[in-house]
Amino acid sequence: GQQLNQSPQSMFIQEGEDVSMNCTSSSIFNTWLWYKQEPGEGPVLLIALYKAGELTSNGRLTAQFGITRKDSFLNISASIPSDVGIYFCAGEDTGNQFYFGTGTSLTVIP
Amino acid sequence: DAMVIQNPRYQVTQFGKPVTLSCSQTLNHNVMYWYQQKSSQAPKLLFHYYDKDFNNEADTPDNFQSRRPNTSFCFLDIRSPGLGDAAMYLCATSKGWGNIQYFGAGTRLSVL
Repeated sequence: GQQLNQSPQSMFIQEGEDVSMNCTSSSIFNTWLWYKQEPGEGPVLLIALYKAGELTSNGRLTAQFGITRKDSFLNISASIPSDVGIYFCAGEDTGNQFYFGTGTSLTVIP
Repeated sequence: DAMVIQNPRYQVTQFGKPVTLSCSQTLNHNVMYWYQQKSSQAPKLLFHYYDKDFNNEADTPDNFQSRRPNTSFCFLDIRSPGLGDAAMYLCATSKGWGNIQYFGAGTRLSVL
């Protein structure tokens, strides 16, 4: 079935740096979601996107629904140690099927 | 306050000994999902309930069963756990199919 490819697979950054990650699909999506999962916990929804070109912020996080509807981007500004975790994109395609991305593991070095 | 609650958070069972994981929700969502997640991988959907209708993913082993006695509760039964079933099991809910899914904190299952 469909797989959402996330890039990069992992990131090691210094505290205070900005972070960018993206998610691509082989087909058009109606909805893009970004989740964060901390060790031993379930995924927590960060941002939901519903329209092509939509840009939405949640504190230091900004996500965009790509114009082609086949990708999405998540940026984190001025990273802090508690940003550590695995970030998953997810989305619903035009057939109402829901998929998870492969995940981006973020490590912030104080 | 937690809206999707999974119990227990940690479960240890023996090889072949049946185990049941539970999930409850206060969101009154009509769709409930069970996922299996292995280390550093994306959650893998096992099955979901749309109201009382049970929907099994094609590659979910027969060893995994589920029950949803009412809107608020859903159970995952593993009839004969194998070593390969050790994983994090996540419950999620959504209002309607294809909408935002809200996850519980998960149950970490160990098989000895």
